[in-house]
Amino acid sequence: AQTVTQSQPEMSVQEAETVTLSCTYDTSESDYYLFWYKQPPSRQMILVIRQEAYKQQNATENRFSVNFQKAAKSFSLKISDSQLGDAAMYFCAYMRSGAGSYQLTFGKGTKLSVIP
Amino acid sequence: DAGVTQSPTHLIKTRGQQVTLRCSPISGHKSVSWYQQVLGQGPQFIFQYYEKEERGRGNFPDRFSARQFPNYSSELNVNALLLGDSALYLCASSPKGVRDGYTFGSGTRLTVV
Repeated sequence: AQTVTQSQPEMSVQEAETVTLSCTYDTSESDYYLFWYKQPPSRQMILVIRQEAYKQQNATENRFSVNFQKAAKSFSLKISDSQLGDAAMYFCAYMRSGAGSYQLTFGKGTKLSVIP
Repeated sequence: DAGVTQSPTHLIKTRGQQVTLRCSPISGHKSVSWYQQVLGQGPQFIFQYYEKEERGRGNFPDRFSARQFPNYSSELNVNALLLGDSALYLCASSPKGVRDGYTFGSGTRLTVV
């Protein structure tokens, strides 16, 4: 079974600074997707960024970028120029590719605080 | 366009009762999934439906059931509620392909007393 581990229960960052959230995963599959979701107090899970395992290039979305290390099974999220609105729970998630059920396996999350 | 809508937003039930949660996917999305998020944890997969057929089921007891209707909306039913069923229940929808990830609703907060 696939597992996702987020080893940092809480992180904090000064406004305008950069922070990196860690995620490792375990799978025997070679093709899969990885995601970072943000969950603010409003409860809705918001997709931040996704990465396809067969792509070597790291995904970027504006201030958000990932460091995808397939051999090490590591998928960290870097947030640049942190803003107050970035404060939330961040979840790393895995989904295997191919036919069948497309279920997300989530980590336990990292609570990010942004200090003004 | 409306996002994924879930109802009700909050619900309080007594142990042993039954509950039905509802989800309307984004227009054009044919796949609906349900997740349970216990306080302090990441969401856990319960069911996935595509074109009204069950495509996947997580490690949950038979007290949990779901269905998808012709308009692609979905219901999650939980029978014989236990205190441990208290959680945020999230619905997510996607088009046929999932490469772009799922879009989640804001969830239903279920409290069992």
